[in-house]
Amino acid sequence: EVHLVESGGGLVQPGGSLRLSCVVSGFSFSSHYMHWVRQAPGKGLVCVSRINFDGTKITYADSVKGRFTVSRDNANNTLYLQMNSLRADDTAIYYCAREMVVAGTDLDYWGQGTLVTVSS
Amino acid sequence: QSALTQPPSASGSPGQSVTISCTGTASDVGAYDYVSWYQQHPGKAPKLMIYGVINRPSGVPDRFSGSKSGNTASLTVSGLQAEDEADYYCSSYADSSNVLFGGGTKLTVL
Repeated sequence: EVHLVESGGGLVQPGGSLRLSCVVSGFSFSSHYMHWVRQAPGKGLVCVSRINFDGTKITYADSVKGRFTVSRDNANNTLYLQMNSLRADDTAIYYCAREMVVAGTDLDYWGQGTLVTVSS
Repeated sequence: QSALTQPPSASGSPGQSVTISCTGTASDVGAYDYVSWYQQHPGKAPKLMIYGVINRPSGVPDRFSGSKSGNTASLTVSGLQAEDEADYYCSSYADSSNVLFGGGTKLTVL
């Protein structure tokens, strides 16, 4: 059975940093692109970052470029999101999601999300 | 990286059909057959309902169907049921490997 479990969220002051982790199981992690998607309270979904199989092809939303860094450890089935210079508008639930192997960017499995709150 | 455009709300009575639109541009929805739809109940993670414009993942009822014409994709829910009440989001691949979501549509079953 496929599982994605995020961790690392919490309360952080503006300008601070957090590192999110997403541990996966039940599938071949290295065979899938992975995504971080966030959802601010009461708002819609936004794709924060997308990373290919080996971390050599990465895209970011304009709002996080230069502040967030995505990476993956295929040996340990773990996806990461390093978030620096956090701002109040980064407050959101952060989901990791698996991209299907078929052509496209469809996300067929999602974690339960981890809440990041940026506030003084 | 502008979001795709969805109506904020839609509604229908049990048994009826409702269609939710998702409008993009020639650089995203119009350029690729890579449109997906997600259902999200309150407090839950999104669930994939349609991928590749028209395909249903295993376990998704055939009451859910997708289509696309030009720069607009659509999700149709037929034979509405109470459990279909949720937020629905479209998504599309876009130029430069970006992934765009729509703003979401709250579906109410009357």
